[in-house]
Amino acid sequence: GQNIDQPTEMTATEGAIVQINCTYQTSGFNGLFWYQQHAGEAPTFLSYNVLDGLEEKGRFSSFLSRSKGYSYLLLKELQMKDSASYLCASMDSNYQLIWGAGTKLIIKP
Amino acid sequence: ETGVTQTPRHLVMGMTNKKSLKCEQHLGHNAMYWYKQSAKKPLELMFVYNFKEQTENNSVPSRFSPECPNSSHLFLHLHTLQPEDSALYLCASSQESGDSNEQFFGPGTRLTVL
Repeated sequence: GQNIDQPTEMTATEGAIVQINCTYQTSGFNGLFWYQQHAGEAPTFLSYNVLDGLEEKGRFSSFLSRSKGYSYLLLKELQMKDSASYLCASMDSNYQLIWGAGTKLIIKP
Repeated sequence: ETGVTQTPRHLVMGMTNKKSLKCEQHLGHNAMYWYKQSAKKPLELMFVYNFKEQTENNSVPSRFSPECPNSSHLFLHLHTLQPEDSALYLCASSQESGDSNEQFFGPGTRLTVL
């Protein structure tokens, strides 16, 4: 079956670094997405990885290992506004996104 | 208007009511999606339309009926819903170009079924 696993909740301190892990099992693979969703708002796109390695985009970076079915989202210099849910999604062979339940990130001062 | 818009933002309905959710995308995309988001659960894909043709229906109960009159508009018609259908209903669009197929989401409709 198809499955995406990510932690339910994480807590971190303002100014620190946090890594949110995601493991996936999908029928075929056409890339791994990370989205951010603030409470009561729409998910917004953060990153897309289809090749192994690290993609850096400002304070946010995303890593992919296809052989391990593993990705992580790395957030640096955390700000209070980074408090949100982070959704991991794998695109399967039909180009449909299979979603994880999301990781709620709580930032403390 | 820019991006993906959805109306209404909030809806409360009884189990015998009939209502419709509307989605409009202003991005020139050729694919549109309906998702259901329940608390602490993964996004559930309900329907997919590519070029106005429905290509996916993930075993959704018939009390949910989609309509896609053109590539910019998508409706979800609701009738005789159940309390467990209460959730956030998200619309998304993407360009099926073989690139990242990034999906752009609307703000959602928060549905409560009494």
